[in-house]
This record gives sequence, structure tokens and C-alpha cells, in this order.
Amino acid sequence: GAVVSQHPSWVICKSGTSVKIECRSLDFQATTMFWYRQFPKQSLMLMATSNEGSKATYEQGVEKDKFLINHASLTLSTLTVTSAHPEDSSFYICSAREGSNEQFFGPGTRLTVL
Amino acid sequence: KNQVEQSPQSLIILEGKNCTLQCNYTVSPFSNLRWYKQDTGRGPVSLTIMTFSENTKSNGRYTATLDADTKQSSLHITASQLSDSASYICVVGSGWGKLQFGAGTQVVVTP
Repeated sequence: GAVVSQHPSWVICKSGTSVKIECRSLDFQATTMFWYRQFPKQSLMLMATSNEGSKATYEQGVEKDKFLINHASLTLSTLTVTSAHPEDSSFYICSAREGSNEQFFGPGTRLTVL
Repeated sequence: KNQVEQSPQSLIILEGKNCTLQCNYTVSPFSNLRWYKQDTGRGPVSLTIMTFSENTKSNGRYTATLDADTKQSSLHITASQLSDSASYICVVGSGWGKLQFGAGTQVVVTP
């Protein structure tokens, strides 16, 4: 099956710093990538959808200037949490799909902001 | 209100026993329904995907059913194993291409 990787798997940072999370499709071309956030014991919440070479589309309530998304190639998307604060601590999961095919999820990145 | 409701919220079962998880949805227009298994600290892994015309689909010891008329689905786990301990998430795809996630059922299998 298709493989999606994320890096890092976990990160701890100080409040006010920025953190970049990478999402890669390893064996297919991800024309669309999705970024989700998941708080403990809650559903995955879609943050934004990005198509390769285009600006990301953000869900209502998600600050695009705080969560910068770049999808510059068909195998890589990055999410940068700028000026992170403790309330940004969460589990961030990406998913990717080629065309209208099935979405495949990455293993997630645990962000802890001190 | 969440368009995908799962029950129970959590359950504990003995190794070797069977269990059934429920999913009710109001997503419209409906496109497909998926069940995922999410281990703690990991991303979701697909178990089954069903479209409107499919009533049941199996993947090993996992069997999903779908009643599109009543907008209900179930996931049956047969002969549970310790490795089945995880969160099971029901996800409904809409005709607009968006996925609606349930909150998941946390399953704990004990020896």
C-alpha cells in the first residue's frame, strides 16, 4: 500500500519559536495533501487542504498566518507552526492522495510547546 | 453537532471474545464510509471502505456493515487479540469530497 511519512515524529519546543513538520508520500505522487490536528480523545480535525503548486485552503477558524503550509512538490508538504504557544500542543497528522484515489495517513507528529 | 456519532465511547473485552462497534451518520450527500484503526500515537490505518451499494466488507477478523437507508454502520471484531487494542474511527466521505470523522471508540483487549 501507499506510504506516507512524517518528520519529526515528536518535537518539543519553547513558546514563541517556530516548528516545521514534513509530510512525504514515498511511493506515489501526492497531488493533494491534508493536514489534521487531533487533541487527546478527540476526532481528527481538518486544518487545511493543499494542492501541489497552489496555496492551501484553510478550514474556518484556522489561522493561515500561524499555520504555514507549503506543497511545493508532488511528494512533500510542510506545515510550519509559527510562534508556537502551549495551546498549539497537539498531534498533527497529514494525509495524501493521488488524484481522486484513497487518502493515506502519515504516522503523526506529537508537538509539545513548553 | 458531529455528523458522525460512534458508540460506545470505549469498551473493554477479553482476549478471544467478539465485539461490535456502532457508527451513525447524517452526512449528506453520502459517498463512502470507512473504518480506520488508530494505535496510540500513530496515524489512522484503513480497515475497510464501503460505497453506497455495499452492505458488508471484511478485512481478516474485521467485518464492517453498512445500511445506507438508516445511515448506520457497524464494525465487528472477531476473536479479539491484544493487538486489537486501539481507537477505531468511523469516517464518512461526503459527495463534496470532504471526510467527516467520528470521535472513535477506544477498545482495550485484556488477557
